[in-house]
Amino acid sequence: AQTVTQSQPEMSVQEAETVTLSCTYDTSESDYYLFWYKQPPSRQMILVIRQEAYKQQNATENRFSVNFQKAAKSFSLKISDSQLGDAAMYFCAYKKWDPGNMLTFGGGTRLMVKP
Amino acid sequence: SAVISQKPSRDICQRGTSLTIQCQVDSQVTMMFWYRQQPGQSLTLIATANQGSEATYESGFVIDKFPISRPNLTFSTLTVSNMSPEDSSIYLCSVGAGFYGYTFGSGTRLTVV
Repeated sequence: AQTVTQSQPEMSVQEAETVTLSCTYDTSESDYYLFWYKQPPSRQMILVIRQEAYKQQNATENRFSVNFQKAAKSFSLKISDSQLGDAAMYFCAYKKWDPGNMLTFGGGTRLMVKP
Repeated sequence: SAVISQKPSRDICQRGTSLTIQCQVDSQVTMMFWYRQQPGQSLTLIATANQGSEATYESGFVIDKFPISRPNLTFSTLTVSNMSPEDSSIYLCSVGAGFYGYTFGSGTRLTVV
């Protein structure tokens, strides 16, 4: 079974600074997807960024980028120029390649942004 | 991507009663997923619901406690039965957006007193 581990229960960052959230996973599959989701206090799960395992290039979405290390099974999220609105729970998630499979989530990291 | 309307957004229920949570999707989807998020915890999959067949439950979740209906390709309900305070959680439904991530409902915050 796949497992996803986020080793940082809480992180804090100064506004406008950069922060990196860690995620490791365990799988025997070679093809899969990885995601970072943001959950603000509103409870809504918001997709931040996704990465296909077959792609070597790291995904980037505006201020959000990932460092995907397939051999190390590591998938960290870097948030640049942090904003107050970035404060939320962040969940790393794994999905098998097959369509229709569910997401397996890590335990989450609470990100606090200091003004 | 699909838009999901989830109701109710929150409820406070007496122990021993049941609550039915609804999710309406604005497009047809094959599979819907129901998750539970206990206070301060991550999301745990309860079951996967396919239209026209019985839901598939994950270990630790049973149909008698969490019956699911999936009458068509745009709608599903999850019932939390015979509730106890331990059932106090956020419940979320989700649908796949092709291969590219999943869309979630806004969640139902359930408090059992």
